Amino acid sequence: STELTQPPSVSVSPGQTARITCSGDALPLQYAFWYQHKPGQAPVLVMYKDYERPSGISERFFGSTSGTTVTLTISGVQAEDEADYYCQSADGSGTVVFGGGTKLTVL
Amino acid sequence: EVQLVESGGGLVQPGGSLRLSCAASGFTFTRYWMSWVRQAPGKGLEWVANIKQDGTEKYYEDSVKGRFTISRDNAKNSLYLQMNSLRAEDTAVYYCARADIIVVRGVIIPWLDSWGQGTLVTVSS
Repeated sequence: STELTQPPSVSVSPGQTARITCSGDALPLQYAFWYQHKPGQAPVLVMYKDYERPSGISERFFGSTSGTTVTLTISGVQAEDEADYYCQSADGSGTVVFGGGTKLTVL
Repeated sequence: EVQLVESGGGLVQPGGSLRLSCAASGFTFTRYWMSWVRQAPGKGLEWVANIKQDGTEKYYEDSVKGRFTISRDNAKNSLYLQMNSLRAEDTAVYYCARADIIVVRGVIIPWLDSWGQGTLVTVSS
């Protein structure tokens, strides 16, 4: 089965750049997607097909890929970016698998 | 505006059943796959099930296979999750989500572009 590995936490100061990684052997063969999830709110898609940004998502969010690792980069981090971030791909056709999630803390 | 509104959550005893509903509006329901995703207390997101536009294909996470059934009523723009033989570990907020798909080398890869606010299911005696 597909596994996606994320660091449990990332901390940055306001204005700095946050990089959240997601590793998985299947990622070179499939696309990755990223979600932002704040407590008590619905998750929000912030990146699709590795580096495509949905309409309404800040240009400070950037997606990239290298080998078996995909990275969500948030530049000029703001307090409002504090949230849990999840990567996602497929675990077999028609299914979904999430990474364990990364808690982004804005110091 | 896409709206997904879940309902049907609540407290149920272990071994019991519950049916979740999701009312969809603001988009052409028949054009999209739909999904259920859950989040147990203090845990991450966990995918539960997917259903194709016409209901002919359904996919389940291993731990719910044989216990949960995803279905949809396209005439009512509604998605459902029938949950039987519930266990304490099924306790979670359950989210309904709209799914788009891309096919890569014959593999269907869904992603979830709109989500509801969720409904809480608590399995406890």
